Amino acid sequence: EAGVAQSPRYKIIEKRQSVAFWCNPISGHATLYWYQQILGQGPKLLIQFQNNGVVDDSQLPKDRFSAERLKGVDSTLKIQPAKLEDSAVYLCASGRLAAADTQYFGPGTRLTVL
Amino acid sequence: AQSVAQPEDQVNVAEGNPLTVKCTYSVSGNPYLFWYVQYPNRGLQFLLKYITGDNLVKGSYGFEAEFNKSQTSFHLKKPSALVSDSALYFCAVRVHSSASKIIFGSGTRLSIRP
Repeated sequence: EAGVAQSPRYKIIEKRQSVAFWCNPISGHATLYWYQQILGQGPKLLIQFQNNGVVDDSQLPKDRFSAERLKGVDSTLKIQPAKLEDSAVYLCASGRLAAADTQYFGPGTRLTVL
Repeated sequence: AQSVAQPEDQVNVAEGNPLTVKCTYSVSGNPYLFWYVQYPNRGLQFLLKYITGDNLVKGSYGFEAEFNKSQTSFHLKKPSALVSDSALYFCAVRVHSSASKIIFGSGTRLSIRP
C-alpha cells in the first residue's frame, strides 16, 4: 500500500512569511497527526485528528499555527507568520483508530526560516 | 504525566557485537510501547511495539525489545550489529486510549563501526 505522502519536502522562507504543508495519509486511516521535530529532539505532537475532528491540539501554538483536515482525508498545516524558532522538520503520520495501532510516518517537510 | 527517557545520546558498537539502546518510561496505567528508527532525511520507520502478552517482542531487521514492568523499561536489542543499523532510534509510549498522545523520547544515535 502507498505510504503517507507529504509536500513540499523542503521549504525556505523569511520570518514573518506564511507557509503551508500538505499531507495525504494512508488510505483508510482514521487518525492523522502532525509533529514538529526540532534538530536533535524527538518529535513533538502538534495536533491529532480523528476523521475530520480534532482530538488533541494542546501543543499547537494557535496564535500562528493552524491545521485542518477536510473530509477526513488530506490535511494542511499552516504557519502564519513564521518565526525563526519554527525551523524544524514537520512530520505527518496516520494510523487506525485504536491506541495500540502503529503510526506510519511520511518523509517530512524540512522548514528553514531565515 | 507520561514521559519517556532515553539516557544515552549516542551508542557506539563494533559490527558483529550485540547492541542495546535503552528506554525507560513513566505512565499512569498500562502502556503501549514503540520503537522507531530514523535515517537521514527520512521520516520515522516503525520497528516494533509492545501491546500485551509476551514481554519479548521481535521486530523488523532482527531487532527485539524486552518489556520490563518492574523496571519500567523497554530496551531495544540486536544480537549482532550491522553497519547499516547506524541511525537515530526513538522510543515512544502511549496509554490505552485512542485519544491519548504518543510521547517520544529524545532519541539515541546508534553508530556501528566496521
